[in-house]
Amino acid sequence: KAGVTQTPRYLIKTRGQQVTLSCSPISGHRSVSWYQQTPGQGLQFLFEYFSETQRNKGNFPGRFSGRQFSNSRSEMNVSTLELGDSALYLCASSSGTSGRGEQFFGPGTRLTVL
Amino acid sequence: EDQVTQSPEALRLQEGESSSLNCSYTVSGLRGLFWYRQDPGKGPEFLFTLYSAGEEKEKERLKATLTKKESFLHITAPKPEDSATYLCAVQARDSNSGYALNFGKGTSLLVTP
Repeated sequence: KAGVTQTPRYLIKTRGQQVTLSCSPISGHRSVSWYQQTPGQGLQFLFEYFSETQRNKGNFPGRFSGRQFSNSRSEMNVSTLELGDSALYLCASSSGTSGRGEQFFGPGTRLTVL
Repeated sequence: EDQVTQSPEALRLQEGESSSLNCSYTVSGLRGLFWYRQDPGKGPEFLFTLYSAGEEKEKERLKATLTKKESFLHITAPKPEDSATYLCAVQARDSNSGYALNFGKGTSLLVTP
């Protein structure tokens, strides 16, 4: 079974620009969660999508948004980039329906904001 | 508020020297506690899920245990390839939380030959 894929793997942007990251979950999984990882804050939850609906949202500003498509693929968007948005952005896939909540992570997208 | 604290922050072991990593947590209602391994520049790799106090799971040299307040990841006779950051995360049963994971800051393990 193919794992979670994320594209692109690396991105360099400048302050004020916007960026879109993509995630394809494991086949059959309907839940996609996004996390931001930085050296100082560790892994922090951004949001979760299930069946094209945002099910939960972390404590991040409105510049961070996402969506999920009917094939469960998900995108996240960050507008008006700031230097502090430089991080590894991780996508995690889960069945989303059973009582077992294991999440399987992709390799991440490394975003650098200059 | 849910909280996850891992200790120590860093651990250096000699090959074959067994030890344990600690994960203390507070959560309103625990759906599951998860252990992941993360290598530099990669996404976390799923290791174990524990659902209730007293539960134990094993995989090769790793064994995870769970109480009502903490979890331990025991590493028996580690090898250099076990060097990585080990992350602990809790998932609340609260329906408002969905499947969000609340992570600790991790323990960076270095195993030297």
